[in-house]
Amino acid sequence: AQSVTQLGSHVSVSEGALVLLRCNYSSSVPPYLFWYVQYPNQGLQLLLKYTSAATLVKGINGFEAEFKKSETSFHLTKPSAHMSDAAEYFCAVSDRGYKLIFGSGTRLLVRP
Amino acid sequence: GAGVSQTPSNKVTEKGKYVELRCDPISGHTALYWYRQSLGQGPEFLIYFQGTGAADDSGLPNDRFFAVRPEGSVSTLKIQRTERGDSAVYLCASSPDSNSYEQYFGPGTRLTVT
Repeated sequence: AQSVTQLGSHVSVSEGALVLLRCNYSSSVPPYLFWYVQYPNQGLQLLLKYTSAATLVKGINGFEAEFKKSETSFHLTKPSAHMSDAAEYFCAVSDRGYKLIFGSGTRLLVRP
Repeated sequence: GAGVSQTPSNKVTEKGKYVELRCDPISGHTALYWYRQSLGQGPEFLIYFQGTGAADDSGLPNDRFFAVRPEGSVSTLKIQRTERGDSAVYLCASSPDSNSYEQYFGPGTRLTVT
């Protein structure tokens, strides 16, 4: 069975600092991996996805993530946080099918 | 173009009542998904439609939950005899087809059962 673990339900950074949101997955088959962002009262928006091409994936708003098979990780990073990045972030895994399995989310707080 | 829309945005109902939640997918998208997001949790899969048929309803929690998509576009999630534990945000998503790995989510319907 597939699963996703997001370490840290809340992460707080200063504006301009590095953002690192952690995601580890479990999958019996080579997975597809996703990061979604959710702003208050809005739907989930896809930030980036890994579908077995390049292991370093660049997404929208300056975010990127690296697929590390040996560590079963897909951590999300951004070099410099902006106030507008404050939101909830979800990592998700798929067995190349239609069903997304989500982690429990990490709320990113950005301090001025 | 227009994204996925869901109505109502909020629904408050009494325990035991029947509710319907509506999802309008992106035009032309043949695949449609329902997820449920409880407070402090990530979304959990409920059901997947390809066209008019439910290809996988394994996530529906029990037989009080039912969903339809009669014309392959709009979908309705129906909950009978609501319970307080059904309170959650119900999310709908669509994708161009079942081979597309990008799911486009609507804003959700927040259901509160009192």
